[in-house]
Amino acid sequence: AQSVTQLDSQVPVFEEAPVELRCNYSSSVSVYLFWYVQYPNQGLQLLLKYLSGSTLVKGINGFEAEFNKSQTSFHLRKPSVHISDTAEYFCAVTEGRGYSTLTFGKGTMLLVSP
Amino acid sequence: DSGVTQTPKHLITATGQRVTLRCSPRSGDLSVYWYQQSLDQGLQFLIHYYNGEERAKGNILERFSAQQFPDLHSELNLSSLELGDSALYFCASSVKALGGTQYFGPGTRLLVL
Repeated sequence: AQSVTQLDSQVPVFEEAPVELRCNYSSSVSVYLFWYVQYPNQGLQLLLKYLSGSTLVKGINGFEAEFNKSQTSFHLRKPSVHISDTAEYFCAVTEGRGYSTLTFGKGTMLLVSP
Repeated sequence: DSGVTQTPKHLITATGQRVTLRCSPRSGDLSVYWYQQSLDQGLQFLIHYYNGEERAKGNILERFSAQQFPDLHSELNLSSLELGDSALYFCASSVKALGGTQYFGPGTRLLVL
């Protein structure tokens, strides 16, 4: 069975600083990987996804993530954060083409302060 | 706006009651998924329907059931409600039956008193 670990429950950072949110997964088969963002009192919005091809994936709002198969990681990065990036970020995995269900990590709360 | 709509936005009810949550997928999407988000369990997959048929079941209680109608909207029925059922319930939709990107609705916040 697949699982996702988000190592940090909370990441505080100052505005305009870089940030990395960590995600590790475990699966015995090939995977598709996703990052979703949840702003306060809202639903989940897709930030980016890795299905195949280039391991560096660019998403919305200046975020990017890198798929590392050997380290089973899919860390999310942004070179310079804004106050408006304050939200909860969820990493999710589905086991490739033959499966439909998403398994989510517990989430990382990104707190951006001035 | 993902294009997925959910009603109602908020629901307050008492233990032992039954409620129905409704989801309309994005135009053209055939798959509907239901998820529960709670503080202690996080985001958990409940059930998946594709074009009216159940395709996968996750951690869904026997007191919960769902269906997808011919117009592709879906309903999640929660019965004999308990305090622990208080949570955010999300619906997501995708085009494909398998491996498609899921787009989430805004959720229904259920409070059981």
